Amino acid sequence: SYVLTQPPSVSVAPGKTTTITCGGNNIETKSVHWYQQKPGQAPVLVISSDSDRPSGIPERFSGTNSGHTASLTLSRVEAGDEADYYCQVWDSRSDSWVFGGGTKVTVL
Amino acid sequence: QVQLVESGGGVVQPGRSLRLSCAASGFTLKSYGIHWVRQAPDKGLEWVAVISNDGTKKYYTDSVKGRFTISRDSAKNTLYLQMSSLRPEDTAVYLCARGWPISGTRADAFDIWGQGTMVTVSS
Repeated sequence: SYVLTQPPSVSVAPGKTTTITCGGNNIETKSVHWYQQKPGQAPVLVISSDSDRPSGIPERFSGTNSGHTASLTLSRVEAGDEADYYCQVWDSRSDSWVFGGGTKVTVL
Repeated sequence: QVQLVESGGGVVQPGRSLRLSCAASGFTLKSYGIHWVRQAPDKGLEWVAVISNDGTKKYYTDSVKGRFTISRDSAKNTLYLQMSSLRPEDTAVYLCARGWPISGTRADAFDIWGQGTMVTVSS
């Protein structure tokens, strides 16, 4: 089955920029989505289809997808961005939906 | 207001059954593929099952095939997950999430999520 690999954690200072990676075999051929989950809350879609921001998501959130790596970039990081972030794709070969293991973003 | 509300969780012994519900409001389930996703305590998200908008296609993750059944009651606008032969490793918060619309594809994102219902499998 298709596997998505994320770093377990990243740390970033307020106001700085951080990038979360999501690795997968030829992931550029897939549509990658990103979700933010804060403790005790449901996930929220922050980036869809590699780079589209849903209504209400700040421009500080952006996404790219190339080769074997998709990325979520958080610019001008705020304390409220501290959360777990998950990438997700649909694997057409197995008709299954796959999540990465998640990355915990800590704002220093 | 577009929302999903899960219910039916609880504590159940291994080998027993449980049925979860996911009530939709603000939109019609028949117009979307709808997923179940679970999250074990302090773990990541795991996709469990999905039913297509027309109800004809159902897909499951390997670990629940033959034990879990996804279904839908269009009149009640409610999604269900019938879980049988439950195992301790099924312990998790179960969330429903809205997937692709009629005009979309299975690659579309999960754009609306419920808050989840907790299932604990323990003797």
